[in-house]
Formats: sequence, C-alpha cells, structure tokens
Amino acid sequence: DTGVSQNPRHKITKRGQNVTFRCDPISEHNRLYWYRQTLGQGPEFLTYFQNEAQLEKSRLLSDRFSAERPKGSFSTLEIQRTEQGDSAMYLCASSLQGSVTEAFFGQGTRLTVV
Amino acid sequence: AQTVTQSQPEMSVQEAETVTLSCTYDTSESDYYLFWYKQPPSRQMILVIRQEAYKQQNATENRFSVNFQKAAKSFSLKISDSQLGDAAMYFCAYRSGVRSGGGADGLTFGKGTHLIIQP
Repeated sequence: DTGVSQNPRHKITKRGQNVTFRCDPISEHNRLYWYRQTLGQGPEFLTYFQNEAQLEKSRLLSDRFSAERPKGSFSTLEIQRTEQGDSAMYLCASSLQGSVTEAFFGQGTRLTVV
Repeated sequence: AQTVTQSQPEMSVQEAETVTLSCTYDTSESDYYLFWYKQPPSRQMILVIRQEAYKQQNATENRFSVNFQKAAKSFSLKISDSQLGDAAMYFCAYRSGVRSGGGADGLTFGKGTHLIIQP
C-alpha cells in the first residue's frame, strides 16, 4: 500500500450533472476524511468516517453532497446537480485511531464545473 | 469555532538561508494539536511537523522547527538551510484534542503561505 489513492485525478462536468469521486485510504487506517480546497485557500473539512460510520459533517456539506464508506474501506463522495461553485480540489485523508494521529492525504480530485 | 491565520501569503528566501513562516490561531480549548503541512505543486499534502499543546518543548524535525507560544497562540515554522525542494505551499493546521471533546475531528487550516526558494 503506497498511500491514499483518489480517482479520478481530474473531472470536468457540465453544470447540473452528478459526479462521484472515490478514495482508497491506507489499508489499516480506520478514519477517513474529505476536504475541499478552492484556489488560494486552505483545505476545508467536509466530513469524517470512523470505519463505516459517518460521524461528523460540516455545514459546508450541502444536501447535494453525500459521502459513503460502506465497508469501512474505500469511500465515495457524490455531488448531485453540480454548480460552478463546486469547482475545487477534493482531498481525501486517512489516519489511524489514536490520541495523536497523523493524517495522510491523497493527491486529490480536481473538479471543474462548466 | 477555532480559526487559523497565516498572515504571509508569500515568502521568498535564498537557498541555504533560514526563513520563518508565521501562524496564529484562536481557540478556547486547552487540549489541541498544531501541525505544519507542505503542499508541493503535485498537490499531495505532506506533514512537516506536529506539536502537542501540552508539551512546552518546541518540536524539531531535522531542518524544521517550531516556535510554539501557547499564551500568545502563535505557532511559527522555521526552515533552516533552505533547499530548492522546500518550495511549496505551507499550511498551518489545528485539531482539537481528546480532552477537548475532539481527537477525531477534522483539521482546521490556514490559507497558506507560498514559499519561494531563490537559487
């Protein structure tokens, strides 16, 4: 396992279409996080899973966004009815449960809504 | 809610010299962690250094060290002997600790500092 893997790396979609991104965390990591990063900004927390349970969602995560981690391994982030404001880099990170945990990040999925 | 502020959008340093990146944060919690992450042009975030708030000793990792001033809520990163490979965006980040009811919360990031290394 070489790290956190995200697919696709780039996605261009038309406004109003649905898109889905996938994140494969480091295999022994039970925590998985999704972040959104717009140009010139730091990443913003979207949601977090511990195993298959989604334990926290940011207010940034509108009803058009849904995330799953069905078997506690890989996760998907779906955006329905995309808007131009959804254009951003979507980052996934994973970590091990513990009191001081380092989060390992994937390379991200760059979404462009046209 | 916690906030993280990086007041330097861009910094430039000559190769082999030392540079300090600033970070301040605002929190009412006593138990938390602070991080510096590096994001090279390839976009993968890499952890540079970590500091536990309950530790008074400043963290050090090879050429990277921090100046953690808890009372001032300041967490600056010093890079010694700057190298071309240090060029990247640097993000300061905060995470609540277990005793603050966190421990699993997501990171709160600053807006980043773009570090340029002049050869």
